Amino acid sequence: GENVEQHPSTLSVQEGDSAVIKCTYSDSASNYFPWYKQELGKRPQLIIDIRSNVGEKKDQRIAVTLNKTAKHFSLHITETQPEDSAVYFCAAGGGGGADGLTFGKGTHLIIQP
Amino acid sequence: NAGVTQTPKFQVLKTGQSMTLQCAQDMNHNSMYWYRQDPGMGLRLIYYSASEGTTDKGEVPNGYNVSRLNKREFSLRLESAAPSQTSVYFCASSYGGDYGYTFGSGTRLTVV
Repeated sequence: GENVEQHPSTLSVQEGDSAVIKCTYSDSASNYFPWYKQELGKRPQLIIDIRSNVGEKKDQRIAVTLNKTAKHFSLHITETQPEDSAVYFCAAGGGGGADGLTFGKGTHLIIQP
Repeated sequence: NAGVTQTPKFQVLKTGQSMTLQCAQDMNHNSMYWYRQDPGMGLRLIYYSASEGTTDKGEVPNGYNVSRLNKREFSLRLESAAPSQTSVYFCASSYGGDYGYTFGSGTRLTVV
């Protein structure tokens, strides 16, 4: 089955700086790569996703890049703000195999004032 | 428009007791999922249902059963709860494997 590795597990950045979270996956058949943000005590919420026919996608301060050859994808957050503090999860799946996304273990992003 | 509704929000069980977690979605999604979330482990798939009438095992199905009652409802049953099943359980739904999930608010289950 699919295996998703996510790094780092904790990331602390100064407010206004950029943050980058990286994930690798193992199943070359996967073609859908979403990112979720989870605030303390809340449900995960989809913030951005990318499909394998696209190399990069941007939505305001967040962007995701995908390298299918290397089987890795990254989340980039620019001009970080206090409300960006949360746990972020990457996931991989789709591709006609078994349904269900495989999630990374999460990155706790801390924005220092 | 409620999205994905899970009940109960909190539950304490004694070892060996049984219970059913309920999940319903009103977004006309085809696929529904049950995940458990443990500290440092991310979200792990227990069972999923790609369409009404079908269910399949995920990564950690042991000790659980599911029922896809109709397109809207997908329940998770613990027949004989164990302390290892202490976790936060999330139900989710989507249009399919290539689409984002909408999660329910979660059930915090403690087995003593």
